Amino acid sequence: DIQLTQSPSSLSASVGDRVTITCQASQDIGNSLNWYQQKPGKAPKLLIYDASTLQTGVPSRFTGGGFGTDFSFTITSLQPEDIGTFYCHQYDQLPITFGGGTKVEI
Amino acid sequence: QVQLQESGPGLVKPSETLSLICTVSGGSVSGYYGSWIRQTPGKGLEWIASIYYTGRTSYNPSLKSRVSISLDTSKTQFSLNLTSVTAADTAVYYCARSGDWFDPWGQGTLVTVSS
Repeated sequence: DIQLTQSPSSLSASVGDRVTITCQASQDIGNSLNWYQQKPGKAPKLLIYDASTLQTGVPSRFTGGGFGTDFSFTITSLQPEDIGTFYCHQYDQLPITFGGGTKVEI
Repeated sequence: QVQLQESGPGLVKPSETLSLICTVSGGSVSGYYGSWIRQTPGKGLEWIASIYYTGRTSYNPSLKSRVSISLDTSKTQFSLNLTSVTAADTAVYYCARSGDWFDPWGQGTLVTVSS
């Protein structure tokens, strides 16, 4: 199975800060990586697919990048509504796997 | 827009079968997969199974011996059966429409395994 290691597991930042989360895959997955945001009590919501493509309707302050084994997710200017847990997800190989999550607090 | 909704018992006894249905409204899974994912505090998000609109299935090997997924002919409902459940199967179960990503998701349903 492909393991996805996210870091940090949690972070606290101020409104307006730039926040970056990393996701490292245990083997090369090309750009087969997506990012989701989960707010408390809600289902995950797709933010970025194919490592760097912003889902329709998602604010442009969310960006993604990377290829192969090392990926990053950035919030360029943290907003109060961005709190939640962020997950990476790979679909290059079955079984589909998710990272452990990064909890973002203000 | 397309919406998904999980339904089924919230409490299942150990050794019994967990059965859930996902109903798709505003569209179908034609051209996509219907998928099940579960979430526990301990193991995070875990993909369980997917079924393509043609009927082709994929299962997580860690659960494959106990899981089955099916799709109705209208392509607007798909189901999950998980047999011989234990407390470790207590989780929030989500359904989602998927291709290379899961979107949209249902709201999730908590299933507790307890006698």
